[in-house]
Amino acid sequence: GAVVSQHPSWVICKSGTSVKIECRSLDFQATTMFWYRQFPKQSLMLMATSNEGSKATYEQGVEKDKFLINHASLTLSTLTVTSAHPEDSSFYICSVDGRRRGEQYFGPGTRLTVT
Amino acid sequence: QQQVKQSPQSLIVQKGGISIINCAYENTAFDYFPWYQQFPGKGPALLIAIRPDVSEKKEGRFTISFNKSAKQFSLHIMDSQPGDSATYFCAASNQNNDMRFGAGTRLTVKP
Repeated sequence: GAVVSQHPSWVICKSGTSVKIECRSLDFQATTMFWYRQFPKQSLMLMATSNEGSKATYEQGVEKDKFLINHASLTLSTLTVTSAHPEDSSFYICSVDGRRRGEQYFGPGTRLTVT
Repeated sequence: QQQVKQSPQSLIVQKGGISIINCAYENTAFDYFPWYQQFPGKGPALLIAIRPDVSEKKEGRFTISFNKSAKQFSLHIMDSQPGDSATYFCAASNQNNDMRFGAGTRLTVKP
């Protein structure tokens, strides 16, 4: 499988500020990356699909102006939570498209706490 | 609308026992069915996966059983160990790699 890293692993920010989360595919060039959000004791909810060099595709109900995604290269995608509010506090996880169709390999996640 | 239904929500098994988690789906466009294991504060890790051209896949103590006509699949963990205690998610994806997850099962294996 692919090795995926995220940075930072946890972040605390004040309400109204913006936070950037990086997702890197360390050993694999990922054409497609995915961003998920997971609330405590709940399942993963897909937020958006990010393709290198093009605009991200957002799931229904996810505000694209609030959750900015940039897939700058085949190994890096970033998620920026703009004007964060306490309700944005969650576990954000990225994944990369695997070598075989359907496969996804997940990063370790980023815990965001907005105070 | 939950596209993949998973049960039970939680499961307690004695060490050495068999853990069974079930999932069902509706969308026949799904053609890849993975199971993920997640420990607290960590990202999900791919455990085992199956495609609909086979009815069973076994890797070590983990077995997926797949029933295409019933649109159901299950994970069996044989000889369950305390280290298996985690949350397990089934998932299903289509040709566009659009993956949907079940609600998760919190497994506790008692020593």
